[in-house]
Amino acid sequence: GAGVSQSPSNKVTEKGKDVELRCDPISGHTALYWYRQSLGQGLEFLIYFQGNSAPDKSGLPSDRFSAERTGGSVSTLTIQRTQQEDSAVYLCASSLNAVSNQPQHFGDGTRLSIL
Amino acid sequence: AQTVTQSQPEMSVQEAETVTLSCTYDTSENNYYLFWYKQPPSRQMILVIRQEAYKQQNATENRFSVNFQKAAKSFSLKISDSQLGDTAMYFCAFHNFGNEKLTFGTGTRLTIIP
Repeated sequence: GAGVSQSPSNKVTEKGKDVELRCDPISGHTALYWYRQSLGQGLEFLIYFQGNSAPDKSGLPSDRFSAERTGGSVSTLTIQRTQQEDSAVYLCASSLNAVSNQPQHFGDGTRLSIL
Repeated sequence: AQTVTQSQPEMSVQEAETVTLSCTYDTSENNYYLFWYKQPPSRQMILVIRQEAYKQQNATENRFSVNFQKAAKSFSLKISDSQLGDTAMYFCAFHNFGNEKLTFGTGTRLTIIP
């Protein structure tokens, strides 16, 4: 399809393990965003990319979280030494470019569960 | 910092009725955008409607319309002739010009009763 694709759809892992979440944006979209949605909460901004650069990393909760984007396309969000409080749905969105009037289109998210 | 408040955690209405979801926000900025997103059980966030703050005319998309009151910092969503497929979480979101992240409210769970 032509939408934002995220993988895996669900991930269960043990506390202390590292996890990688992948986002494939809509073709031609230069801006890419990561959000976290904890149970019963709204979405919390983590980081966004314009091309391969990340102008705003202010939402990353700790240095265990990192993200990269290569080739202006696919992005990977990595969580090291996972903790139980990292359990959430991680949503990725993309937009044509990082301009406020461009709507963000979301993927289906990755549900991460830390045991 | 901007904040978005949705004071109705849950709502339910009969099919075909009209329902209004409330949203208020706090900002010192003058140029911004407001959005309503729908999140069905599939988890995907779907854009329902958006409003530019500099436009006085309220946005409308088919059965969905907004009541944007800039002075009151209020942005409510009205769903007319509600359908079973409208059952979902609805999130209000704020997007400040020049600050590209979306700030979301905590959502309203809307159930349409057959």
